[in-house]
Amino acid sequence: DAGITQSPRHKVTETGTPVTLRCHQTENHRYMYWYRQDPGHGLRLIHYSYGVKDTDKGEVSDGYSVSRSKTEDFLLTLESATSSQTSVYFCAISGALTSSYEQYFGPGTRLTVT
Amino acid sequence: GQQLNQSPQSMFIQEGEDVSMNCTSSSIFNTWLWYKQDPGEGPVLLIALYKAGELTSNGRLTAQFGITRKDSFLNISASIPSDVGIYFCAGRPSGNTPLVFGKGTRLSVIA
Repeated sequence: DAGITQSPRHKVTETGTPVTLRCHQTENHRYMYWYRQDPGHGLRLIHYSYGVKDTDKGEVSDGYSVSRSKTEDFLLTLESATSSQTSVYFCAISGALTSSYEQYFGPGTRLTVT
Repeated sequence: GQQLNQSPQSMFIQEGEDVSMNCTSSSIFNTWLWYKQDPGEGPVLLIALYKAGELTSNGRLTAQFGITRKDSFLNISASIPSDVGIYFCAGRPSGNTPLVFGKGTRLSVIA
């Protein structure tokens, strides 16, 4: 158990509404990541963070924003959800002192945009 | 961007058989990781490799970091039904740069 939780685990929302997904870690890892997983596309990086208030874009960042105001929390926001953002979202962490390059995933959030 | 070619895409094997899968890239990686994902769950880290030529085992699983640093292999010996799932390879170009993922190998085990 890598000490990662995601909330909510499931969400159904309507097109055009804002949605925020939360990732919480208890392991004091420096790096945190948001991925989406879709059939045929595998895992694609949305945004990542390399420290508090330090974030960068991944390969599919359009339509998403992130914030990290403290080490343990990394928020992913869909400002105005679209049907193409229906997906399973995974948070991941890495950068622990004893296992710096190992990356661990959370349980995922299944988001449906109707 | 960088890509990993993972093969095969899917495999159907008999229980007790050995399994091999691999990932190749046109770029060099400093770290290779192998994950397994069960339905409805997040990927779970199986093995991490850090040096070219390194061979590491985790129970019935053995993974190798290719000598060219452009490929990695995962072998599963004497497969059992709980080995069913999707196996992903991932490579890290340097430091803590984001991982590049393969698209996965879906393993089915026939009892």
